[in-house]
Amino acid sequence: DTAVSQTPKYLVTQMGNDKSIKCEQNLGHDTMYWYKQDSKKFLKIMFSYNNKELIINETVPNRFSPKSPDKAHLNLHINSLELGDSAVYFCASSQDPLGTGSRKLFFGSGTQLSVL
Amino acid sequence: SQQGEEDPQALSIQEGENATMNCSYKTSINNLQWYRQNSGRGLVHLILIRSNEREKHSGRLRVTLDTSKKSSSLLITASRAADTASYFCATVMNTGFQKLVFGTGTRLLVSP
Repeated sequence: DTAVSQTPKYLVTQMGNDKSIKCEQNLGHDTMYWYKQDSKKFLKIMFSYNNKELIINETVPNRFSPKSPDKAHLNLHINSLELGDSAVYFCASSQDPLGTGSRKLFFGSGTQLSVL
Repeated sequence: SQQGEEDPQALSIQEGENATMNCSYKTSINNLQWYRQNSGRGLVHLILIRSNEREKHSGRLRVTLDTSKKSSSLLITASRAADTASYFCATVMNTGFQKLVFGTGTRLLVSP
């Protein structure tokens, strides 16, 4: 069973289009994330939700809007896609049951977005 | 920024040799973690070391942490071709929500 699954795996689209990436985790974790990995493999956090509440919102254009309908799902909607949005987007989840700050992330397999 | 920097950026070794990767960071941390990423896949957690620990082992992995130098190293002993991947360190700050900030990664190639 896949712990963190995201769809689609590949997304090819034209500039200006709107697209969504879906993510689901079956680990019972309370926190989910979106990370962006650029062509140089640099991984940067975009958003994080804890129990459906937005807790991390990095400097991301407001064309990117995360939505968490429940704590097992965190979707990413992108409006008016630009060439620079081309990257691999990773969803992840974590839990900190003992409150020690020792959160380990479990990642999905990524969505490769290509904007033409 | 807190982003860690890793060196070397790329490392090429033969099977059976040891591989050492280093990570430096800028702010005080709660813990530091190492992840592996195989080509075309998501990152997989390898090991976590807390700020009050100096060394940790897991199988063929050995991680050290020197908070005075703000640096960590990951040693993979007796490497195998299957260890070929990119390795990232990630730091968690002491304050605020525990956000993981990833380093720039080391690409390891282990040749048979």
